[in-house]
Amino acid sequence: DADVTQTPRNRITKTGKRIMLECSQTKGHDRMYWYRQDPGLGLRLIYYSFDVKDINKGEISDGYSVSRQAQAKFSLSLESAIPNQTALYFCATSDPGSFGPQHFGDGTRLSIL
Amino acid sequence: KNQVEQSPQSLIILEGKNCTLQCNYTVSPFSNLRWYKQDTGRGPVSLTIMTFSENTKSNGRYTATLDADTKQSSLHITASQLSDSASYICVVSAKNSNYQLIWGAGTKLIIKP
Repeated sequence: DADVTQTPRNRITKTGKRIMLECSQTKGHDRMYWYRQDPGLGLRLIYYSFDVKDINKGEISDGYSVSRQAQAKFSLSLESAIPNQTALYFCATSDPGSFGPQHFGDGTRLSIL
Repeated sequence: KNQVEQSPQSLIILEGKNCTLQCNYTVSPFSNLRWYKQDTGRGPVSLTIMTFSENTKSNGRYTATLDADTKQSSLHITASQLSDSASYICVVSAKNSNYQLIWGAGTKLIIKP
């Protein structure tokens, strides 16, 4: 089984819909991250969490929200999806000594029509 | 402005040949630099991480170099294999309160038989 599992792997939806992307991990890491990847651009950090009660905005958090339900689970929500949120979304984890994400999921490809 | 630029954008080489990918950065203050490999449809996988004092680090056929004075890094791949076909991403960490990561857009490498 994958260490970091993202569901769904692919999603097509319409403008204005609420969408939740889910991430679960078996690494036992406290730190979890959500990134967005667009063609020709580097990954951009949306939100990160250093433990269950800790939520922090990244560089592009507008239009997104997150929930850290447990150490192993970190979900990303788009409250009212818009077409420019079409992208590849990655969840990642790390331990405290790593200075950043170590283990990535395989991504959710999200298309908003 | 903190930036990471990679070159070339894409590269095609024959199996068995060597290649070198470049990364230039303007991140300050510098903490560390890492190279990731991202296969199509998968999340990034860490290859190497280098701190200020490290000039060279190897991981099998992958060798990363760092020149902190000129703010340049390279990733050299020896005796390329078909499985090396992927995007290679340079990421620089800034030594601020959150160790902000600045991601390059990646170099897409294609190995032809």
